[in-house]
Amino acid sequence: DQQVKQNSPSLSVQEGRISILNCDYTNSMFDYFLWYKKYPAEGPTFLISISSIKDKNEDGRFTVFLNKSAKHLSLHIVPSQPGDSAVYFCAAIHTGGGNKLTFGTGTQLKVEL
Amino acid sequence: DAGVIQSPRHEVTEMGQEVTLRCKPISGHDYLFWYRQTMMRGLELLIYFNNNVPIDDSGMPEDRFSAKMPNASFSTLKIQPSEPRDSAVYFCASSRTSGRTDTQYFGPGTRLTVL
Repeated sequence: DQQVKQNSPSLSVQEGRISILNCDYTNSMFDYFLWYKKYPAEGPTFLISISSIKDKNEDGRFTVFLNKSAKHLSLHIVPSQPGDSAVYFCAAIHTGGGNKLTFGTGTQLKVEL
Repeated sequence: DAGVIQSPRHEVTEMGQEVTLRCKPISGHDYLFWYRQTMMRGLELLIYFNNNVPIDDSGMPEDRFSAKMPNASFSTLKIQPSEPRDSAVYFCASSRTSGRTDTQYFGPGTRLTVL
């Protein structure tokens, strides 16, 4: 039972345009959400996070939006750069349930020149 | 800081053999996590430790899997006997104690192939 879902296994975007990666979750107990980025042959690295008390968090070119009623979050990358090509994992945590992240299956982003 | 260190980086073994994966967390981190990555299920948490004590092993798939953390700087994940369906990338991660904002730092992973 996938509690965190990333329904798009891949996404292709032109350099300079916006990349939008989507994530849905089913567990209403989740109250903190994170995005990780993964390059080939490396471990995932933390990118950006958002608490359930907010609906938006911005860090440079990266913005995460949270829609609690829809149990949906998205990561926007503007402008997209070739170095952004990687697998992006959405993750969620129920902070009252221990330090345990639940990850989605990932979306492969390819930014083309 | 060297980051989380995992060894070996690649392991190829035959079905039925014992496999041991190793992890050295970042110094000062007192949470340690073992994950498995597959195409179908993404990153799955297998087990995590706090101060060397296993806290949640509900993700460990079967009794064939076991994990230990004998001290703050070393952990092992053992599969005995291994099966082809265990083929995956196994990640170790560590983080500091405290709240939800703590980032988990991942190692480079061990790619396991069971023939």
